[in-house]
Amino acid sequence: NAGVTQTPKFRILKIGQSMTLQCTQDMNHNYMYWYRQDPGMGLKLIYYSVGAGITDKGEVPNGYNVSRSTTEDFPLRLELAAPSQTSVYFCASSYFVGEQTNEKLFFGSGTQLSVL
Amino acid sequence: RKEVEQDPGPFNVPEGATVAFNCTYSNSASQSFFWYRQDCRKEPKLLMSVYSSGNEDGRFTAQLNRASQYISLLIRDSKLSDSATYLCAVYGGTSYGKLTFGQGTILTVHP
Repeated sequence: NAGVTQTPKFRILKIGQSMTLQCTQDMNHNYMYWYRQDPGMGLKLIYYSVGAGITDKGEVPNGYNVSRSTTEDFPLRLELAAPSQTSVYFCASSYFVGEQTNEKLFFGSGTQLSVL
Repeated sequence: RKEVEQDPGPFNVPEGATVAFNCTYSNSASQSFFWYRQDCRKEPKLLMSVYSSGNEDGRFTAQLNRASQYISLLIRDSKLSDSATYLCAVYGGTSYGKLTFGQGTILTVHP
């Protein structure tokens, strides 16, 4: 039962470096999300995808890029890392069919990213 | 105005107390509503969905007021293990597929 797998769990970047946060799910979910959570704050939506080949911006997309070439994978790319991107990043997925609601989001265990 | 807003608290209550959280949402077209629980440094986990008719799960009761655009979570007979951050989440509205979270309400239950 892998569920949603995120890698890496921790990462320290220098200002200006780039990296990709990996997210994969094995539940055949069509919806996938990337959130960031700053200390003491809620989750802010960065990007989401309703299916392979379809992505859309959330509340805070600047400085990030995503792709969804397969149903399973939804990597998040940080270009030119900045201290403001220091945060915990959560990937999540859910299954939505027709009029049914995506009742439950399955979350990965998170990636703690520090940009120094 | 934020799409989803919560009182961040913190709420500090003794064991056995009843505590209630509210969460307001701005988009009247929002379709589905949820409460998640998050323990420190962990991923959020679904606590319960919120239905129009209200729903109850043991000590937890969730309600939806569409006219006033808020959802609520009531916890009765609080336990130490209820200490966590409670996040409301709202689905739908103007953006298909988008699930938006509030900033979370911190609850601490003390002996």
